[in-house]
Amino acid sequence: RKEVEQDPGPFNVPEGATVAFNCTYSNSASQSFFWYRQDCRKEPKLLMSVYSSGNEDGRFTAQLNRASQYISLLIRDSKLSDSATYLCVVFWGGDGQNFVFGPGTRLSVLP
Amino acid sequence: NAGVTQTPKFQVLKTGQSMTLQCAQDMNHEYMSWYRQDPGMGLRLIHYSVGAGITDQGEVPNGYNVSRSTTEDFPLRLLSAAPSQTSVYFCASSHGAGRTEAFFGQGTRLTVV
Repeated sequence: RKEVEQDPGPFNVPEGATVAFNCTYSNSASQSFFWYRQDCRKEPKLLMSVYSSGNEDGRFTAQLNRASQYISLLIRDSKLSDSATYLCVVFWGGDGQNFVFGPGTRLSVLP
Repeated sequence: NAGVTQTPKFQVLKTGQSMTLQCAQDMNHEYMSWYRQDPGMGLRLIHYSVGAGITDQGEVPNGYNVSRSTTEDFPLRLLSAAPSQTSVYFCASSHGAGRTEAFFGQGTRLTVV
């Protein structure tokens, strides 16, 4: 079975903390990598794409290690509004091409 | 700026009933897909389409049918609802055969009693 695995969570952190999420994927032929955010009872929304060179968007940094089939997301200076579930998403190419979602890691940022 | 429009938002069905979940996108995306999301599990792919007239099964296709007669629309049909189909359903679309950002509808919360 094609799989994407994530830290089980939940993560409860104080405001201002740095938190890291980890993700591994099983298909070495995976082509694209993403982190999505899902708020309670809402649809997933793209947080950021993940590139081999690593990429940063404000307080968020994503890293990809293709050799280890590992993806990470680092959130610095956590805000209350960062509370959500973070989904690691991998796009498989080839036959049966589609997005495969990890189960998600829930983050609660506490005042 | 509609994006992906999914209806209905909520639905209660009796076991054995059939229904169609509607999904429409106005971004001219080739790739559309249906997922279900259950507590503690990631989104699981039900069916997907890489273009009008082309559909294929995902991970959990049993009990569901789809069609793609136009680029814009990708309805999901439940043939004979079962309690195991109680879930939250999301439709998504993306450009370029799925290699770019997927945009999601707001979801349908389905309860089968």
